[in-house]
Amino acid sequence: GAGVSQSPRYKVAKRGQDVALRCDPISGHVSLFWYQQALGQGPEFLTYFQNEAQLDKSGLPSDRFFAERPEGSVSTLKIQRTQQEDSAVYLCASSFTGGSNTGELFFGEGSRLTVL
Amino acid sequence: AQSVTQPDIHITVSEGASLELRCNYSYGATPYLFWYVQSPGQGLQLLLKYFSGDTLVQGIKGFEAEFKRSQSSFNLRKPSVHWSDAAEYFCAVVGDTGRRALTFGSGTRLQVQP
Repeated sequence: GAGVSQSPRYKVAKRGQDVALRCDPISGHVSLFWYQQALGQGPEFLTYFQNEAQLDKSGLPSDRFFAERPEGSVSTLKIQRTQQEDSAVYLCASSFTGGSNTGELFFGEGSRLTVL
Repeated sequence: AQSVTQPDIHITVSEGASLELRCNYSYGATPYLFWYVQSPGQGLQLLLKYFSGDTLVQGIKGFEAEFKRSQSSFNLRKPSVHWSDAAEYFCAVVGDTGRRALTFGSGTRLQVQP
């Protein structure tokens, strides 16, 4: 596609519900990143894929957070048993090359999650 | 661990005035430095980046930034601000080894007065 596409753009969940956020990166991009951006804050790293391999998941805040990219393209971020502190904008970014220090990251518009 | 500090949470400038947004980083080796802009409802867009070489880098939309190793700074500048520059600006760093993900600062919100 022309850019990184994320869906849904907005999601309201009741506390305890599971949610799934989708990221469709730019075609051919090797690297894919997930970030969490709380209100008034900068994006915080969650996890990184190179093709289908999840090379870094050190930023995932708990075992309720899970991400996958099974075929090396579309990625899904899943949050189980959502809590109010999970409310944030979840950003996806992709890059043609491996790693953000070697190429430009292209960001999607984000998925805004509100947990009631 | 790498970190970024943007000391100014909110800045207001008049249209046509010059702008400087401050960024200080903490990293032990050679950093790769970036400035991103985020407009309401938009994704983050790369303004410019510094990897090596000339310490003054030019970016899109008339922005530039200067890398000063002695001050651990990478301040963003623009000689004449336009109303469309109103947005949130983020400085980010990544090291040349180890973790590949960008570490972002907390951002500076720019307001432009007519």
